[in-house]
Amino acid sequence: KAGVTQTPRYLIKTRGQQVTLSCSPISGHRSVSWYQQTPGQGLQFLFEYFSETQRNKGNFPGRFSGRQFSNSRSEMNVSTLELGDSALYLCASSFGTSGVETQYFGPGTRLLVL
Amino acid sequence: AQTVTQSQPEMSVQEAETVTLSCTYDTSESDYYLFWYKQPPSRQMILVIRQEAYKQQNATENRFSVNFQKAAKSFSLKISDSQLGDAAMYFCAYRSNTDKLIFGTGTRLQVFP
Repeated sequence: KAGVTQTPRYLIKTRGQQVTLSCSPISGHRSVSWYQQTPGQGLQFLFEYFSETQRNKGNFPGRFSGRQFSNSRSEMNVSTLELGDSALYLCASSFGTSGVETQYFGPGTRLLVL
Repeated sequence: AQTVTQSQPEMSVQEAETVTLSCTYDTSESDYYLFWYKQPPSRQMILVIRQEAYKQQNATENRFSVNFQKAAKSFSLKISDSQLGDAAMYFCAYRSNTDKLIFGTGTRLQVFP
C-alpha cells in the first residue's frame, strides 16, 4: 500500500506570497493532520481534517488554512508569507474513526521564505 | 494543558549496545495513548512503538521496548542491540481521545561503530 505523499517536496517563496501544499493520504484513510516543524518551536499541530470537515485546530494565525476533498486529499494554504513560516510541513493520515489512531507521516514539504 | 518532556537533547550509544531514551508527560486524562516516532535525516517521521494507557503490559516491537510507568507519567524507550540505522531524532508523543497529537522536543541519538 502506498504511503502518504506530499507535493511539492521543496519550495522557495518570497515574503508576501502565498503557497499551497498538497497531501495525499494512505488509501482508505479519511483523516489528515498537518504539522509545522521548525528548529525553534519543534513540532506544532496546525489542523486536522476528517471527511472534509476541520475536526481540530492548533494555535496558528488565520493566514494558515486548509481543506480536504471528497477523496480525502488535503491542501494547506499559507497566505502573506513571513520569514518565520520557513519550516518543514508534515502531513499525517489515519483512518479517522477513532481519535487516537496511529498517524502515518509523509516525507514533508520544506518551505523556504526569502 | 498536556505537555510532553524529553530531557535528553542528545544521546549516544555504541553499536550492539543498549540505550534508553526518557520521556515524561503531564495530563489529567485517564485514557490516552503514547507514541515514539523516529525521524532520520531523510525527515520522514516513522512510528517506532505505541502504548495504550489502559494496558499495563509494556509494548515491544523487536529491538524496541518501552517502560511505561503510568503513575509516574513516564514513558521511556529502550533500544537493544543498537544499529547504525537507529541514528535519528526520536520524538515522544501523546494523544488523548479529545486532543491533538503533542510532541516532545526530541532526542538526537548517535550510534557509533
